[in-house]
Amino acid sequence: GEDVEQSLFLSVREGDSSVINCTYTDSSSTYLYWYKQEPGAGLQLLTYIFSNMDMKQDQRLTVLLNKKDKHLSLRIADTQTGDSAIYFCSHGSSNTGKLIFGQGTTLQVKP
Amino acid sequence: DTEVTQTPKHLVMGMTNKKSLKCEQHMGHRAMYWYKQKAKKPPELMFVYSYEKLSINESVPSRFSPECPNSSLLNLHLHALQPEDSALYLCASSPLGGRNTEAFFGQGTRLTVV
Repeated sequence: GEDVEQSLFLSVREGDSSVINCTYTDSSSTYLYWYKQEPGAGLQLLTYIFSNMDMKQDQRLTVLLNKKDKHLSLRIADTQTGDSAIYFCSHGSSNTGKLIFGQGTTLQVKP
Repeated sequence: DTEVTQTPKHLVMGMTNKKSLKCEQHMGHRAMYWYKQKAKKPPELMFVYSYEKLSINESVPSRFSPECPNSSLLNLHLHALQPEDSALYLCASSPLGGRNTEAFFGQGTRLTVV
């Protein structure tokens, strides 16, 4: 299967860390992606991780990949109100090359 | 230039109208995509063009007609749409080879069918 599962909602206080989790079933994906979508806007590619990596850090963003458990997470340090958005976990299908998206996690940041 | 530009940003059309959505990218990407997105849902793939040829049609109704005039442009022609076709239509592009599923998205066209 090619399912991607995410929790639907996360609420944090400004300045806290946010952790958004994702599980997937296609173990042969080469790259896994995190996209951010603000209200009324398109999807912005935030970061990606290659499947032979365990961790990738990019400024306030840390991506962790546990291949054994097929679990991907996105940690946002020092979360700001501008981080409020929907975050989509995604990977490229090894069968079709198409992007497979999770349902999206709505991140609410309270001042 | 890492942008995918879509026009118009908003479109309201009647069920008997004919309209077109336009998409442009200048990143040299050879794959371009149309997605449909309903509120609070992930994008759903509609069409994929690779090297200006239609490579994937996800069983989309014929009232949606894609066109790829050249490697930088992608159009979506709309005719006789239904109210349930109201959605955000997203264009994306990606390089072929390597991270070929790394897609760059436009800001979308918010379509309302009345």
